[in-house]
Amino acid sequence: EAQVTQNPRYLITVTGKKLTVTCSQNMNHEYMSWYRQDPGLGLRQIYYSMNVEVTDKGDVPEGYKVSRKEKRNFPLILESPSPNQTSLYFCASSPQYYDRAYNEQFFGPGTRLTVL
Amino acid sequence: SQQGEEDPQALSIQEGENATMNCSYKTSINNLQWYRQNSGRGLVHLILIRSNEREKHSGRLRVTLDTSKKSSSLLITASRAADTASYFCATDTTRDDMRFGAGTRLTVKP
Repeated sequence: EAQVTQNPRYLITVTGKKLTVTCSQNMNHEYMSWYRQDPGLGLRQIYYSMNVEVTDKGDVPEGYKVSRKEKRNFPLILESPSPNQTSLYFCASSPQYYDRAYNEQFFGPGTRLTVL
Repeated sequence: SQQGEEDPQALSIQEGENATMNCSYKTSINNLQWYRQNSGRGLVHLILIRSNEREKHSGRLRVTLDTSKKSSSLLITASRAADTASYFCATDTTRDDMRFGAGTRLTVKP
């Protein structure tokens, strides 16, 4: 089944304790992205990657790191989490056609993170 | 900053009525997409309209795009209770990033 998976789905942690949220897709998509969703703000893009070893900052990259060593995986790293990073996080992937006509995004189920 | 701004923020209608949601954006786009989200779950893609298209249909969905006004609308015809969800527009910008709006919360009463 074609899908985007995220782990963990729920996480409660404390300020300053490094954590990683994994994201994996099995559709051979070039484009992968991380978003955070907060009430009243919709989704805001954190980082995105056009392909392996290519990453770019989105709207709200501060406090986050990513890496894209393999096409299928795009982990999100919080080196020193803070309470303002409490949010619902989504990973997404899409193919990247040259004319960008069909690059709809496929979303993972979300990771609810609470930083105390 | 948000790229898309949906209007209205919330919409409540009766089953069978049509629902119209609007989206405005700020920068140049490759395409504009509409997504649906049920209660904190992952977003599901509904429809994509390219920057050189003006209107697109998919089942009960109709999307329009006016690039001169930087706006789009999503029309859901003959709504059903199962259409109750939040709807987001997203712009695939020429900078390669994706910008989402804050969403419209649609409630369809049986």
